[in-house]
Amino acid sequence: QVQLQESGPGLVKPSQTLSLTCTVSGGSISSGSYYWSWIRQPAGKGLEWIGRIYTRGSTNYNPSLKSRVTISVDTSKNQFSLKLSSVTAADTAVYYCARGYGVPGVMDVWGQGTTVTVSS
Amino acid sequence: QSVLTQPPSVSAAPGQKVTISCSGSSSNIGNNYVSWYQQLPGTAPKLLIYENDNRPSGIPDRFSGSKSGTSATLGITGLQTGDEADYYCGTWDSSLSAWVFGGGTKLTVL
Repeated sequence: QVQLQESGPGLVKPSQTLSLTCTVSGGSISSGSYYWSWIRQPAGKGLEWIGRIYTRGSTNYNPSLKSRVTISVDTSKNQFSLKLSSVTAADTAVYYCARGYGVPGVMDVWGQGTTVTVSS
Repeated sequence: QSVLTQPPSVSAAPGQKVTISCSGSSSNIGNNYVSWYQQLPGTAPKLLIYENDNRPSGIPDRFSGSKSGTSATLGITGLQTGDEADYYCGTWDSSLSAWVFGGGTKLTVL
């Protein structure tokens, strides 16, 4: 049974780059046809999809974040990562990683989430 | 402002039935499968319904989904206090080339 676990700094300074990693256990990140996604949720607000990377390497990003986001995969470590540049307080949120499959990529496995605060 | 529109809140008594609507457009719901997610307080979202009306293993048949045109509906029967949660619809938006979520609906079981 595949499980996902987010990790990374809980505090990031404004204008810096937020970097998070999602470790996949119970299965290989490079097997099958899956999407590996990042989603975030500011406190008390709804879910916002950040972007995803397909097993075969293609990516899709939220148009509102596209200029600041990079999602990549490290198959040797069975991990995928999120980098969000030039962060502000508005990027403070719980960040989730998730696995998606099929068309259009329903997200069936989620990590527990990690809280990131942007503050000086 | 979310691309998919959901009511902010719904409520009903234990044992009753409730429906949650999700309205979109031809670029998202109208031409793509819809999924629903349940988020219990303080926890990560959990897949509840996929491909409009299918339940993953382990999801009770009290939960159902449907889609008609550019709208989708989540139904919950035999409400229990443990169903109190936020519910989100989601799908792919072909015009945006992005996944979109509804704003979420808070279910209160009175």
